[in-house]
Amino acid sequence: QSALTQPPSVSGSPGQSVTISCTGTSSDVGSYKRVSWYQQSPGTAPKLIIYEVSNRPSGVPDRFSGSKSGNTASLTISGLQAEDEADYYCSSYTSSSTLFGGGTKLTVL
Amino acid sequence: EVQLVESGGGLVQPGGSLRLSCAASGFIFRDYWMQWVRQAPGKGLEWVSRIHGDGSGISYADSVKGRFTISRDNNAKDTLFLEMNSLRADDTAVYYCARRYYGSGSFYMDYWGQGTLVTVSS
Repeated sequence: QSALTQPPSVSGSPGQSVTISCTGTSSDVGSYKRVSWYQQSPGTAPKLIIYEVSNRPSGVPDRFSGSKSGNTASLTISGLQAEDEADYYCSSYTSSSTLFGGGTKLTVL
Repeated sequence: EVQLVESGGGLVQPGGSLRLSCAASGFIFRDYWMQWVRQAPGKGLEWVSRIHGDGSGISYADSVKGRFTISRDNNAKDTLFLEMNSLRADDTAVYYCARRYYGSGSFYMDYWGQGTLVTVSS
């Protein structure tokens, strides 16, 4: 049940783009569309922002996009806004467990 | 509107027990997998357990296996439970319940509760 690997922090200025990576194995991240991303602001519950690698739920701005190459998934946030400052978590799963990345703190400079 | 409302958290001594509940509404509860996810103070998300809609398919994180039990009431109450025994200080966390949705070929957590805080301390 190893956690997925994310960078602890990323930062960018308003209007810029940032990318957060998430590395797993062929049994989880690398398997089909088993990647989702969650945004969490302080004191609130996580919120789904990307599912099945690259799909956005209704209401999530198209500035948020997801992709995957092999065992590494990526979340890209373009046109950074101050409100995007939050913690971001990737998630995947196997037949017996659900996995989370350690989380990435996004700072908007 | 889908709603998940956790309850049952509180302060408990090491070695003690606690039962968390997650009341679901706004969807057909028995049709969905459900999960518990926790977050220790200042730390990241940690998956705890999951259960199929019919009560089968139960699995646990290694850190809680043998101490925690997940269950559900698919009848009148539409409620998810987490029975926690032999609690330790490192079980201190906000516990979230989440709906595990199966989309076009994969699972993801589309709705989350607001969380309930469990503090294990003497």
